[in-house]
Formats: sequence, structure tokens, C-alpha cells
Amino acid sequence: DTGVSQDPRHKITKRGQNVTFRCDPISEHNRLYWYRQTLGQGPEFLTYFQNEAQLEKSRLLSDRFSAERPKGSFSTLEIQRTEQGDSAMYLCASSPGTAKNIQYFGAGTRLSVL
Amino acid sequence: GNSVTQMEGPVTLSEEAFLTINCTYTATGYPSLFWYVQYPGEGLQLLLKATKADDKGSNKGFEATYRKETTSFHLEKGSVQVSDSAVYFCALSRGATGANSKLTFGKGITLSVRP
Repeated sequence: DTGVSQDPRHKITKRGQNVTFRCDPISEHNRLYWYRQTLGQGPEFLTYFQNEAQLEKSRLLSDRFSAERPKGSFSTLEIQRTEQGDSAMYLCASSPGTAKNIQYFGAGTRLSVL
Repeated sequence: GNSVTQMEGPVTLSEEAFLTINCTYTATGYPSLFWYVQYPGEGLQLLLKATKADDKGSNKGFEATYRKETTSFHLEKGSVQVSDSAVYFCALSRGATGANSKLTFGKGITLSVRP
């Protein structure tokens, strides 16, 4: 069990550029979640995968955001045409999908849009 | 909708002081309640949880009791240590399956413990 891994840890980009983040969940965890955390706030839910199926998306996830989880393993979160308001910490969590519903979080990707 | 409200911070205590961090929630049905902790430079870690009314979650000397009548899940520790300095988040989920399993978090509170 190597934990949830996120890459990169930090990303600085210019407004209007596209960025992609990767999350590698704990092996055999079938649930994967993306959250966004802005300064001074708690994490906010973005989207959820059960295996490869994306089962729910928050209204926070505008059309510029897309997430995938091919083959039910790693996941990517892409933001197109970034805006300064997209600056935040993007957190990934995975869960084994049991009744305990314990989510294990990665260290996050911090995005700064200049 | 679901929401979690935490007391305003930050909180600064001396080592061995008693800690209480308040958390109240709004949710339909019977949510599961969690406390997560974030140490500097690290990801969120589950500290403790409770899944039904009157359940007490406990871990590392921390405790919290699920109070349905007051919709609260306050975090307590009898004697804090410098190593407890971190950000603490209260959270809930509506259930354990499907989209109900997503977490709704409070704003978090920063605890600093002085030697």
C-alpha cells in the first residue's frame, strides 16, 4: 500500500492554458474522488468514479473541466482555458468501496494560474 | 442540502491543555460523520468516524460523539501535544454507497500547540 499518489505536486500556468493532473489510487480501490480546496476553505466535491464509470459531477465542474478514469485505475483531471479562479489545491481520494466508506487522500496538486 | 459548520479559528493552546473543537451539521437522514486531520505538507488523514447516533469515535486520544439531538460531532482531547498541531476538518457523508459516499467538509480549523 503506497498510498494515493498525485502528480504534479505543483503547477504554475498562464491564464488560458490547459492543464492535466494525474491521480494514482491505492491498488484495488474501486472508488475515486476529486475535490477542490481553496485557501481557508474545506475541500469541495468535484466528481466521483466507481471503477471506470463517472457517476456524479458537481455543478462546480464547469464545461472546461473533464475527468477520466480509463480501465478503472488511475484518473486524470483536465482543465481547459484556465482562469485565475481555478487556482486551488486539487485533491484526489480513493476508497475500497466497503461499508466503512473511508477515503484515503493524496497530498494534492496545487495549481496557480497567473 | 448538506453542510458542516466548524467553530472559527485559529486555536492556540499550551501543551497538555484540554481541546474542544465544535462541529455541527445539517443533513437529511442519518449521515456518517468524520474528523480528518491535515499535518503540514501532508494529505488529509482520517482521524476518527461515527456512523450512527450516540456512537463515539476515538483515535490517538481524540474523541467525538455523534449527537443526533444537537446535530453535533465535537472533537475533544484531554491533553494536547505539540505534535497535534495541524488543520482539523469535520465532514459528513450521506451514506456508504454510490454518490452518497462523497464527503461534505467544514472550513477547517488550525490548531497550534505551544511547548
